[in-house]
Amino acid sequence: VQLVESGGGLVQPGGSLRLSCAVSGFTLSNYDMHWVRQATGKGLEWVSVIGAGGDTYYSGSVKGRFTISRENAKNSFYLQMNNLRAGDTAVYYCARESPYLDGLDVWGQGTTVTVSS
Amino acid sequence: QSVLTQPPSVSAAPGQKVTITCSGSSSNIGKNYVSWYQQVPGTAPKLLIYDTNKRPSGIPDRFSGSKSGTSATLGITGLQTGDEADYYCGTWDKSLSVGRVFGGGTKLTVL
Repeated sequence: VQLVESGGGLVQPGGSLRLSCAVSGFTLSNYDMHWVRQATGKGLEWVSVIGAGGDTYYSGSVKGRFTISRENAKNSFYLQMNNLRAGDTAVYYCARESPYLDGLDVWGQGTTVTVSS
Repeated sequence: QSVLTQPPSVSAAPGQKVTITCSGSSSNIGKNYVSWYQQVPGTAPKLLIYDTNKRPSGIPDRFSGSKSGTSATLGITGLQTGDEADYYCGTWDKSLSVGRVFGGGTKLTVL
């Protein structure tokens, strides 16, 4: 079971980035999938979730700017980030939520997003 | 400001026991399961406790979780130097909108 993020990088304020999370070792369609971020030296901040059925939820700090989506046939899910701000600078982790337990049981290694001019 | 409140740091000697508290409200901990995560700096978080008090396979029984009302506690017995890490509590919050929330994290130092 593995999650691998990609798509991070340096972007100017107001710009966009699309993060991807490629999964392997399990059937993506059966799981809710999350994005969680962590600014340098700070704690974990939940960003968004997409349910197995496609329902989506966002934290207040990203609602209206970020969009989470999934392509089960490609074993991938995504985070489209628009109108990026300096405060969005962080390591972004994708994580799996099992239907059998309450918790995020598998995490990727993270991808770094830096928003700066 | 995190929705869940944890002490910034705790410390204890090897072999001793330590507890880390996580304080929330009726809209999060009061109504939902709690999970705990261990994060060694520079690495991804790792699930330590799920469903408030259950351990994933491979997590030693030195780690335990409990909840009372709107607070949860992580206990670690027989402390080892390898337990030095940041620990985070997490749960669902369904007050204004549905989403997961985390505590601010607690740095454990094994003296």
